[in-house]
Amino acid sequence: AQKITQTQPGMFVQEKEAVTLDCTYDTSDPSYGLFWYKQPSSGEMIFLIYQGSYDQQNATEGRYSLNFQKARKSANLVISASQLGDSAMYFCAMREVYSGGGADGLTFGKGTHLIIQP
Amino acid sequence: DGGITQSPKYLFRKEGQNVTLSCEQNLNHDAMYWYRQDPGQGLRLIYYSQIVNDFQKGDIAEGYSVSREKKESFPLTVTSAQKNPTAFYLCASSKGQGAYNEQFFGPGTRLTVL
Repeated sequence: AQKITQTQPGMFVQEKEAVTLDCTYDTSDPSYGLFWYKQPSSGEMIFLIYQGSYDQQNATEGRYSLNFQKARKSANLVISASQLGDSAMYFCAMREVYSGGGADGLTFGKGTHLIIQP
Repeated sequence: DGGITQSPKYLFRKEGQNVTLSCEQNLNHDAMYWYRQDPGQGLRLIYYSQIVNDFQKGDIAEGYSVSREKKESFPLTVTSAQKNPTAFYLCASSKGQGAYNEQFFGPGTRLTVL
């Protein structure tokens, strides 16, 4: 089973509109972290926002917020007032503290290609 | 400026050849990682190292090897045993372990096997 599922392969959004990128995850680990990264066409991975499994409040970073619904295992990224420069691939990722099989890396979803239209 | 450098940006290799991808960081991070990205896919973990002179296999380590002789350096060798090495390779580093452990990424190396 996929540990991270991003169901939207691609999205077109009008500039200045808000956009929600979906992410669901699967883990039985009580302690985990959820990350969102942006990957422009240049290929670099840019960290956007983090949510810990024990955090009571949704994370926010500028125009980015994370809609964390723990019971539904959902961690959607919300971008307010989208800009042309937001066009990129967006990846949701998870680290499991105890059940990662000893691996210390991140598990990534397949990504959503977001295109902002003027 | 602190960051992660990867070289070269583009690399071409003939079948049957080994090739080494460089990754250097000056962030004083303990942990370093190698990921592979195929077109239209997310990243998959190849190897990681939490401390000098120690490293562990990730999900897709077959056909790859690494070394960690210095804290700031974590080179990846793609061997001839790797059946499908054409991909985008990303190196990352982080301060340490735990759920909150933001990984900083390098600019990547695009490897093409001719």
